[in-house]
Amino acid sequence: KAGVTQTPRYLIKTRGQQVTLSCSPISGHRSVSWYQQTPGQGLQFLFEYFSETQRNKGNFPGRFSGRQFSNSRSEMNVSTLELGDSALYLCASSLIPGGGNEQFFGPGTRLTVL
Amino acid sequence: DQQVKQNSPSLSVQEGRISILNCDYTNSMFDYFLWYKKYPAEGPTFLISISSIKDKNEDGRFTVFLNKSAKHLSLHIVPSQPGDSAVYFCAASYSGAGSYQLTFGKGTKLSVIP
Repeated sequence: KAGVTQTPRYLIKTRGQQVTLSCSPISGHRSVSWYQQTPGQGLQFLFEYFSETQRNKGNFPGRFSGRQFSNSRSEMNVSTLELGDSALYLCASSLIPGGGNEQFFGPGTRLTVL
Repeated sequence: DQQVKQNSPSLSVQEGRISILNCDYTNSMFDYFLWYKKYPAEGPTFLISISSIKDKNEDGRFTVFLNKSAKHLSLHIVPSQPGDSAVYFCAASYSGAGSYQLTFGKGTKLSVIP
C-alpha cells in the first residue's frame, strides 16, 4: 500500500506570494491533518479534515487555509507569504479522524520564503 | 503555552546501552500518547503509543511508561543501536469534543555512538 505523498517536495517563493501544497493520503484513509515544523517550535497543528469538512484548526492566522476533496486528497494554501512561513509542512493521514490512533506522515514539503 | 515538553533537546548513548527519552505534559485531559521517530528529510514515523488506562506498553526494544500522577512519560530503547539515531517526538491527544489532534513536543535528538 502506498504511503502518504506530498507534492512538491521543495518550493521557493518570495514574500507576498501565495502557495498551494498537495497531499494524497494512504488509500482508504479519510482523515488528513497538516502540521508545520520549524526548528524553534517543533511540529504545530494546522488543521484536520475528514470527509471534506474541516474538523479542527490550530492557532494559525487566516492566511493559512485548506480543503479536502471527495477522494480524500487535501490541499493547503498560504497567502501573502512571510519570511516566517519558511518551514517543513507535513501532512498526515489516519483511518479515522484525528490522532487517537496513529497518524501516518508524508515526507513533507520544504517551503523557503525569500 | 507548551502543553507537551521534551526538556532534553539532545541525548547521546553508547551502542548497546539503554536510551531513555522523557516527556512531560500539562493538560490533564490528554488520554493518548504517542512517540514518533524522524530521520532527516523524512516525515515522522509512528513508533509506539500508550493509552491513559495503561502505565506501560512494550514493543520489542521499545517500551513506553506513563506516570499520570506526574504527567510524565518516557520511552526506553534497549539495547540502543546506531540506526536508532534520529529525532524523537512525543505527542499527546484527547478525545474530547470529537477531535484527536496531536500536540507534539519539540523533539529530542538521539545519537547512538557505535
